[in-house]
Amino acid sequence: DAKTTQPPSMDCAEGRAANLPCNHSTISGNEYVYWYRQIHSQGPQYIIHGLKNNETNEMASLIITEDRKSSTLILPHATLRDTAVYYCIVRVVGFNKFYFGSGTKLNVKP
Amino acid sequence: NAGVTQTPKFQVLKTGQSMTLQCAQDMNHEYMSWYRQDPGMGLRLIHYSVGAGITDQGEVPNGYNVSRSTTEDFPLRLLSAAPSQTSVYFCASSYEAGGLFELFFGEGSRLTVL
Repeated sequence: DAKTTQPPSMDCAEGRAANLPCNHSTISGNEYVYWYRQIHSQGPQYIIHGLKNNETNEMASLIITEDRKSSTLILPHATLRDTAVYYCIVRVVGFNKFYFGSGTKLNVKP
Repeated sequence: NAGVTQTPKFQVLKTGQSMTLQCAQDMNHEYMSWYRQDPGMGLRLIHYSVGAGITDQGEVPNGYNVSRSTTEDFPLRLLSAAPSQTSVYFCASSYEAGGLFELFFGEGSRLTVL
């Protein structure tokens, strides 16, 4: 699986968009990008995934660059409850090992 | 629908003791896995299973054993506990549909080894 690089921490004002970057410059053509988040001491929670097209669901949007070497998770209107560690993961469909890495700690401030 | 259930939630062991962390899921998922999370760190994969009778190692398997006799259960055994195994342990089950790979986690088991 390709490696990912994320900033260790970011701040965001409540109500503003939170844009979390992820670099995956060695990603291969059949690897998906996944985003999970971990709130406090809970188990991580799935947010969104994508292959090459931009994706949106009720939680977030995922923007993947055309060369697929990086992506951005967008929380359109961050709330205090979005304070969490966000993990960007790349994985080939059917590969059984799912590695989380260190993630980005997002601090949403009032 | 309980999801993924882990027991116990808290455990204190002495060095050298053995114990089993239990994990059960009621979603009929073939894939189950165990992670550990040390303070301030991300999750690290210990072992995983892709179905009953099939297990394999993750990133940090040493000191742990697993078995998968049923689809529902995936216990994690600590053979001889060491202080370095003090951590929070998460069990997860998941399914795959096309590109979607969604993990469902238990609430975690906090283990302290003295």
